Amino acid sequence: AQSVSQHNHHVILSEAASLELGCNYSYGGTVNLFWYVQYPGQHLQLLLKYFSGDPLVKGIKGFEAEFIKSKFSFNLRKPSVQWSDTAEYFCAVNAWILTGGGNKLTFGTGTQLKVEL
Amino acid sequence: DTEVTQTPKHLVMGMTNKKSLKCEQHMGHRAMYWYKQKAKKPPELMFVYSYEKLSINESVPSRFSPECPNSSLLNLHLHALQPEDSALYLCASSQDTSGGAKNIQYFGAGTRLSVL
Repeated sequence: AQSVSQHNHHVILSEAASLELGCNYSYGGTVNLFWYVQYPGQHLQLLLKYFSGDPLVKGIKGFEAEFIKSKFSFNLRKPSVQWSDTAEYFCAVNAWILTGGGNKLTFGTGTQLKVEL
Repeated sequence: DTEVTQTPKHLVMGMTNKKSLKCEQHMGHRAMYWYKQKAKKPPELMFVYSYEKLSINESVPSRFSPECPNSSLLNLHLHALQPEDSALYLCASSQDTSGGAKNIQYFGAGTRLSVL
């Protein structure tokens, strides 16, 4: 079964600081990778996705992520965070379930980011 | 439009009540999902419907009963719930479950359920 781990549970940054959130997954086959964001009181929104091709993907709001296959990692980055980036960030892996039924999306434990003015 | 609509937004129920959560999407998606999210935890998959048929049941207790009456609607019927079932219940949809871009899931805002 696939699993996803996020190294940082809570991150506090000042505005304009750079951000990197770690994500590692465990799965031997082909995966699709995602970062979702959940702003306070709002629904989960897709930040960015990786299916294949260029391992550096760009998403909304200036976020980017790099897929490193050899490290089973998909880290999220932003050069300069803003107060409005305060939210919970989830890494997620979509992979085919061997027992059938289709693909399953598994989320990491999440990282709560707080950006201070 | 990537909207998934869930009703009600909040629900309080007793352990002997029967209630239903509703989810609707009009994106023409043929896969719909129920997730459970406890406070400060990630969403956990409960059920997947693909082309209106239940394709994944993650060993969810029978007091949760999903239903997909048509391709736009997904219900979750609740009966005899326990206080530990209190959580945010999220619905999502995707084009289908084949993987790649067609499997990008769009989430609703959720129903916050409290079981007394």
